[in-house]
Amino acid sequence: QQQVKQSPQSLIVQKGGISIINCAYENTAFDYFPWYQQFPGKGPALLIAIRPDVSEKKEGRFTISFNKSAKQFSLHIMDSQPGDSATYFCAASSSGGYNKLIFGAGTRLAVHP
Amino acid sequence: EAGVVQSPRYKIIEKKQPVAFWCNPISGHNTLYWYRQNLGQGPELLIRYENEEAVDDSQLPKDRFSAERLKGVDSTLKIQPAELGDSAVYLCASSSGSGDYNEQFFGPGTRLTVL
Repeated sequence: QQQVKQSPQSLIVQKGGISIINCAYENTAFDYFPWYQQFPGKGPALLIAIRPDVSEKKEGRFTISFNKSAKQFSLHIMDSQPGDSATYFCAASSSGGYNKLIFGAGTRLAVHP
Repeated sequence: EAGVVQSPRYKIIEKKQPVAFWCNPISGHNTLYWYRQNLGQGPELLIRYENEEAVDDSQLPKDRFSAERLKGVDSTLKIQPAELGDSAVYLCASSSGSGDYNEQFFGPGTRLTVL
């Protein structure tokens, strides 16, 4: 019940296309859902996060869509750029992120020029 | 503002040897986390500190792993003795522990290879 399932494992998108990564969770106590971006040799960096009281959050080209009833959330990257090529992790936590983050297995995104 | 600092960045050791990792969190951050990231996986929490107190160490293999956070600032994670399966990236993160949301800031990690 603590798992966060992430798909796809890898994704190839053409420059300018839309990248979509999906995550699903079981624990209804989760109330904080961040997405992290990780480049090779670097630690994960927070990209965008959402609380379950809203269904969508947008920051620039990055949008989180959240479906509380289905216990699913997704990351959309609009106008994908080669610089977006990285590994993306969804995560979930309870108590607004004060408890431990449970990470998905990651999606390796490659944006081709 | 300086980020989370970790050292060393890379470490190669023989199995059964001891190893230690050091973390300096962002100044003023009371909460410190150690995560382990296996190849191709997401990070998994090993231990969480609130100031000097370990408040969640349920995932720390206590037979060989130990951690400390003296004076509530820097932290050290130790493995003794190391096993082949300990090869991973060890990430340190910190957060301010205040506000509605608790953003965790990660360091670059220490890549451990056990031969």
